[in-house]
Amino acid sequence: DIQMTQSPSTLSASVGDRVTITCRASQSINSWLAWYQQKPGKAPKLLIYKASSLESGVPSRFSGSGSGTEFTLTISSLQPDDFATYYCQQYDSFSLTFGQGTKVEIK
Amino acid sequence: EVQLLESGGGLVQPGGSLRLSCAASGFTFSNYAMSWVRQAPGKGLEWVSLVSAGGPSTYYADSVKGRFTISRDNSKNTLYLQMNSLRAEDTAIYYCAKKAISKTTGENYFDYWGQGTLVTVSS
Repeated sequence: DIQMTQSPSTLSASVGDRVTITCRASQSINSWLAWYQQKPGKAPKLLIYKASSLESGVPSRFSGSGSGTEFTLTISSLQPDDFATYYCQQYDSFSLTFGQGTKVEIK
Repeated sequence: EVQLLESGGGLVQPGGSLRLSCAASGFTFSNYAMSWVRQAPGKGLEWVSLVSAGGPSTYYADSVKGRFTISRDNSKNTLYLQMNSLRAEDTAIYYCAKKAISKTTGENYFDYWGQGTLVTVSS
């Protein structure tokens, strides 16, 4: 199975900060990567697919980049609603895998 | 409006069985692959299983292979997960999720998720 490793596990930031989360794959997954946001007690929400395509309705402050084995999710100016846990997910193979998550906390 | 409503969770003893259901509405269910994803208490997301739009193709995580069976009834717009030989480590919230793109074999990412149903495996 393809292993996905996110860093950092926890990130403390302030409103207005630029935030970057990294996701690394154990082998090349081309651009077959999605990012999700999850808030406590809620289901995950799709933010980004195919590494850099923004899901409809998602604010443009979210962006994704990367290909192969290294990917990033960037929030250009952190808003109060963005404090949550973020997961990457590879779909290069039929054995889907998620990263372990990155919790974005208020500094 | 797309809606996914899971049911069937509860408390079950180790070695027991449980069947989860996910009732779908607001989209053409038969056109989309569907998946189950779980989340143990305080932990991250773990993909469990996926079934193709027509139902003939199924895929499983190694952790559940041989114990869980995914299926769907397109006439009832319902997704199922039959869970047998349950273990304590299967304790989790189980989400059903809709694949974002119809009529493709790959590109298995998910645009809609249900609110989940809690499965607790304990004696």
